[in-house]
Parts: sequence; structure tokens; C-alpha cells
Amino acid sequence: NAGVMQNPRHLVRRRGQEARLRCSPMKGHSHVYWYRQLPEEGLKFMVYLQKENIIDESGMPKERFSAEFPKEGPSILRIQQVVRGDSAAYFCASSPARNTGELFFGEGSRLTVL
Amino acid sequence: EDKVVQSPLSLVVHEGDTVTLNCSYEVTNFRSLLWYKQEKKAPTFLFMLTSSGIEKKSGRLSSILDKKELFSILNITATQTGDSAVYLCAVEWGGSEKLVFGKGTKLTVNP
Repeated sequence: NAGVMQNPRHLVRRRGQEARLRCSPMKGHSHVYWYRQLPEEGLKFMVYLQKENIIDESGMPKERFSAEFPKEGPSILRIQQVVRGDSAAYFCASSPARNTGELFFGEGSRLTVL
Repeated sequence: EDKVVQSPLSLVVHEGDTVTLNCSYEVTNFRSLLWYKQEKKAPTFLFMLTSSGIEKKSGRLSSILDKKELFSILNITATQTGDSAVYLCAVEWGGSEKLVFGKGTKLTVNP
């Protein structure tokens, strides 16, 4: 049973470009979470999605960031017009249901903005 | 503002030592506290604690929660080099699906 799969593992972008990060949850999991980890910082919640619905995006910057989890295919975190401050590790996690507490994390996508 | 504070931020020990990692929190409507281990990649789940005073144990690792004093400890006995990692504490509260994480404790176990 494959775990949470994220790709790409590493992504380099120049300022102003777009970054797209993909996450396939564990089989049977319909709840997806995105967290960002800055150097020397803890994981910070960004957004929580279920299939085709954004449930909580309170941790997502209002501009340039968007997320989706379509009926078919992986969840996508999209960052438009990237800036150096977007450089971070972006982790996706999934769970089989709400309020289970335990999240299963992917290995993260490390974004570097030049 | 809800927050989770871990201490120490880093710790270096020798194999065989016992370590205690601390996590204190200020969260309204607390639901659970979780510990994760992160070894340069995916955080992996260790424990979930919801009740005070009940120790959770897995091999050489154990953890306990004090809901009155708002803290938890993670103990690792007879440490091994494979225990070297960042240990993350996170708190979940009612009415929200998100976890609030501390900055982690970086544990280095030297042979």
C-alpha cells in the first residue's frame, strides 16, 4: 500500500514563475492537508481539502496561492509569481476521515526560488 | 494565539543515554496531542495522547500527557544512533482539522 506520494521532490523556480506541487493521498484517504515548513520553523498549516472541496484554507496566503483536489487525480498546490520567501518544504498529508488526529505525511516537495 | 513550544530545541547525547523531550501548549478547546519523528523526510507518527496520566509506550519510546499543566513529555531510553531525528509535537483542537506544530527538538545520538 503506497504511502502519500508527492512530486516533484525538488523544484527550482526563478522569481515570477509558477510552481505546481502534486500530492496523491494514500489509497482510501479522501482528506488532504498541505503544510509548509520554513528553515528552522515548525510545520505550518496551509489548507485542508476533501474531494472537490476546500474545507479550511485559513493558513493559505490570500494572494498567489491556490489548492485543489479534483474528483480524479492528485491534489495540486499552485503558487503563482513565486518570490524568494516561498522557498520552503511543502508537505502533504492525508487521512481516511475527519478528526482522526493521525496524519500520514508525504516526503515533501522542496521549492527553491532563485 | 494558539501555540506549541518544544524544549530543548536541540540535544546531543551518547548511545545508551535516556532523553526526555518536552512539549507545552496553549490551545483552546484541546482535543489531542501528537508526536511525530522526522528524519529528513516524511514525519512519521509516534503517539496520539488524549487523556491525562495515561502513558503510551512503543518499545523504547514512551509519552505522557498532563492536561492540567498543559504539557507532554516524550521519553526515549537506551538511545541508538537511529533515534537521531527531529521530534515534532503537534496539538489538535476541537472545531478545527489543523494541527499546530512546535518547532521540533533535534536529537543527535552519537555512537
